[in-house]
Amino acid sequence: KAGVTQTPRYLIKTRGQQVTLSCSPISGHRSVSWYQQTPGQGLQFLFEYFSETQRNKGNFPGRFSGRQFSNSRSEMNVSTLELGDSALYLCASSFSRDTEAFFGQGTRLTVV
Amino acid sequence: QKEVEQDPGPLSVPEGAIVSLNCTYSNSAFQYFMWYRQYSRKGPELLMYTYSSGNKEDGRFTAQVDKSSKYISLFIRDSQPSDSATYLCAMEPFGNEKLTFGTGTRLTIIP
Repeated sequence: KAGVTQTPRYLIKTRGQQVTLSCSPISGHRSVSWYQQTPGQGLQFLFEYFSETQRNKGNFPGRFSGRQFSNSRSEMNVSTLELGDSALYLCASSFSRDTEAFFGQGTRLTVV
Repeated sequence: QKEVEQDPGPLSVPEGAIVSLNCTYSNSAFQYFMWYRQYSRKGPELLMYTYSSGNKEDGRFTAQVDKSSKYISLFIRDSQPSDSATYLCAMEPFGNEKLTFGTGTRLTIIP
C-alpha cells in the first residue's frame, strides 16, 4: 500500500513569489492535514480537510491556504512568500477524523 | 505555557538500555495520544497510537498514558543504534483532527 506522497520534495523560491505544494493521501483516506515544521517552532498545524471541506485551521496568516479535491488529493498554497516561510511542510492523511495520521516525507521549502 | 511539554534532550544511552521518553500536557480535551519517530530529513513515522489510560505494547515499544496526571510515556526496550532519531509526542481532542506536538526529544543510542 503506497504511503502519503508529497511533491515536490524540495523547492527554492524568492521572496514575494507564491508556491503550491501537493499531497496524495493513502488510498481510501479522506482526511488530509498540513503541518509546518521549523527548528524554532517545531511542528505546527496549518489546516485540515475532510471530504473537500476545511474542517480546522491553525494560527497562520491568510497567505496560507489549501484545498482538497474529490479524490482526496490536497494542495497547499502560500502567497507572497517571506523568508520565515522556509520550513519543512508535512502532509498527513487518515481514514477518518479520529484515526491514526500517517505523514509523508514532506516538502522542504527554502525562501531566498 | 505550551499545551504539550517535552524535554528536547539530547538523550544518549548505551545500546541495549531501556529508554524512557515523556510528555506532559495541560489540555484536558486531549483524548488521543501518539508517538512518532522522525529521522533526519524524513517525515514523522507513527510508532504508537492510543486513546485510553494504561499501557499499550508493540514489540520493543510500550506507550503509557495517565490521563489523571496528564502524562504520557514511551519506553523502548533493548535499544538499538537504529532507534537513534527524534521522538515526538502528539495528541488531539476527540473529533478534532488537529495534532498538537511536543518539541521532540533527540535520542542517540551508542553502540
